[in-house]
Amino acid sequence: RKEVEQDPGPFNVPEGATVAFNCTYSNSASQSFFWYRQDCRKEPKLLMSVYSSGNEDGRFTAQLNRASQYISLLIRDSKLSDSATYLCVVTLNTGGFKTIFGAGTRLFVKA
Amino acid sequence: DTEVTQTPKHLVMGMTNKKSLKCEQHMGHRAMYWYKQKAKKPPELMFVYSYEKLSINESVPSRFSPECPNSSLLNLHLHALQPEDSALYLCASSQEQRRAYNEQFFGPGTRLTVL
Repeated sequence: RKEVEQDPGPFNVPEGATVAFNCTYSNSASQSFFWYRQDCRKEPKLLMSVYSSGNEDGRFTAQLNRASQYISLLIRDSKLSDSATYLCVVTLNTGGFKTIFGAGTRLFVKA
Repeated sequence: DTEVTQTPKHLVMGMTNKKSLKCEQHMGHRAMYWYKQKAKKPPELMFVYSYEKLSINESVPSRFSPECPNSSLLNLHLHALQPEDSALYLCASSQEQRRAYNEQFFGPGTRLTVL
């Protein structure tokens, strides 16, 4: 079983739609959680950290469920510019802090 | 300044060449990372430096040799690479390695082709 799993998609949605991605992690030593976005042939960019209480940044809402070991990302009112790959990232505390990326979920927002 | 820079942007090398990738950050971060990313795959962690000391080596072949000359600079020395080493090499930095929310900031990467 992969340590971090995501639905690869692609998710094809119209502008203005609401879309949600989930990510599951298998290691209970997982300490911190992030969503990054990566555009084609570009570097990953931090979208948001995900805290136990959940957090929101404009149209983006992230949730963490430690009991079920998953995190989610909700995008409201999708824009064309939201088209990208969304990477779920987990940091494990196994003596050293090790970062593991999920395989990513591709999102296409269409006019 | 919240930027991580990497040089060169593109590199083509033969299997007998020796080359180096360079990474620089001026955010005062004390952790720096090398990742390898193949097409349509996520980044894979190669090395982590924490306070200029090698903290994690993810069983990377010895033809890749990292170096951290100071807290702002990170190099990756390449020697006798194989065509399958062709990939995007990403450098990242974070405030510290050993903290829970160590948000990492990535450079634009070096696209390496090994002939």
